[in-house]
Amino acid sequence: EVQLVESGGGLVKPGGSLRLSCAASGFTFSSYSMNWVRQAPGKGLEWVSSISSSSSYIYYADSVKGRFTISRDNAKNSLYLQMNSLRAEDTAVYYCARWWYQQGADAFDIWGQGTMVTVSS
Amino acid sequence: SSELTQDPAVSVALGQTVRITCQGDSLRSYYASWYQQKPGQAPVLVIYGKNNRPSGIPDRFSGSSSGNTASLTITGAQAEDEADYYCNSRDSSGNLWVFGGGTKLTVL
Repeated sequence: EVQLVESGGGLVKPGGSLRLSCAASGFTFSSYSMNWVRQAPGKGLEWVSSISSSSSYIYYADSVKGRFTISRDNAKNSLYLQMNSLRAEDTAVYYCARWWYQQGADAFDIWGQGTMVTVSS
Repeated sequence: SSELTQDPAVSVALGQTVRITCQGDSLRSYYASWYQQKPGQAPVLVIYGKNNRPSGIPDRFSGSSSGNTASLTITGAQAEDEADYYCNSRDSSGNLWVFGGGTKLTVL
């Protein structure tokens, strides 16, 4: 079964740090670009960051650039998000999502169940 | 970056047809994908590309695009289709991604 499982969420104080992990199974992880998408409570989806299959290409949303770092370990089938200088507005459920491309069309085809990050004093 | 605009809420009578739209300049260059999200659950891809459905998505879901507008159509809406729907596409640079604000679909 193709599956993504996030972990590492929790309560952190403003200015603090947290590292999220996403464990992939059921597919060849090293062949796919991966992404982090977040959703603040009661709000819509917000793309956060993407990383190509070999980590050659990395992109961030302006809202997290300079504070968050995406990385992956293909040997461990794992995706990570290091979050520093956290702010209250970073409070959200964080999803990892697989990017899939076929015949000129692409999408986030597989999503994890999400991990909650709460930034509060 | 560019924005994608969706109507916040749409309603449809059971068994009728509903169209959910998404507007944005980047849609002139890139296809939209559509995601269904039910309360407390992760998003699920329902439409991608010109008009493609992943395995397991009912054929009552379809997609289309014209100019700067992408549309998701549900033909014969069912009670289980009540959910939030999000469109997604690349931004104008082609390197970043953007989601629409979401449309809450109510099936009456």
